[in-house]
Amino acid sequence: QKEVEQNSGPLSVPEGAIASLNCTYSDRGSQSFFWYRQYSGKSPELIMFIYSNGDKEDGRFTAQLNKASQYVSLLIRDSQPSDSATYLCAVNMWGDSNYQLIWGAGTKLIIKP
Amino acid sequence: GAVVSQHPSRVICKSGTSVKIECRSLDFQATTMFWYRQFPKKSLMLMATSNEGSKATYEQGVEKDKFLINHASLTLSTLTVTSAHPEDSSFYICSATPGQGGDTQYFGPGTRLTVL
Repeated sequence: QKEVEQNSGPLSVPEGAIASLNCTYSDRGSQSFFWYRQYSGKSPELIMFIYSNGDKEDGRFTAQLNKASQYVSLLIRDSQPSDSATYLCAVNMWGDSNYQLIWGAGTKLIIKP
Repeated sequence: GAVVSQHPSRVICKSGTSVKIECRSLDFQATTMFWYRQFPKKSLMLMATSNEGSKATYEQGVEKDKFLINHASLTLSTLTVTSAHPEDSSFYICSATPGQGGDTQYFGPGTRLTVL
């Protein structure tokens, strides 16, 4: 069973703090991992992707990948109210005949001013 | 780069009519396009995957005769909701990738369909 799991939240974080979002996945052979942000009533937008174990930083965002433990996380430093959104984790997994992105249900993040 | 447009952004129609939604990749060739629907406060649900020039692959439980998908070119896919009913009211979102199914997907802005 191909699964990507996220805590649905809401995760409430004070403004200026670090928000930590986690995602676990079932397929040990997965190679690509993605974080998307979705504002209410809007479509998802790509934040970043990661392929290799370790950390990948892009501005205030850091993706962390641990393939041995099958989890990927997203850290948001200096959280702003504009970061309040649902964060979707997606992982590529082998399906019947090709790779496909499997989506987590998303974590709702609330940044409190 | 990697811009995907979707038209219309919002549509209201009467029960029994058909509605066509267009999805275009503006600055890249989309090998694969995807159609999702999302109900309020719910997760993304993949409806179907389409590759240019071939029939779409529908997810289990999605009626292919009701949701017609045409991927006529590397930059255009259309979703037609046939004989729409109020329960088809939802947020329909397309995405596209220049790669294969497991690669980065770029999303259109979505189409909000309301069936009266």
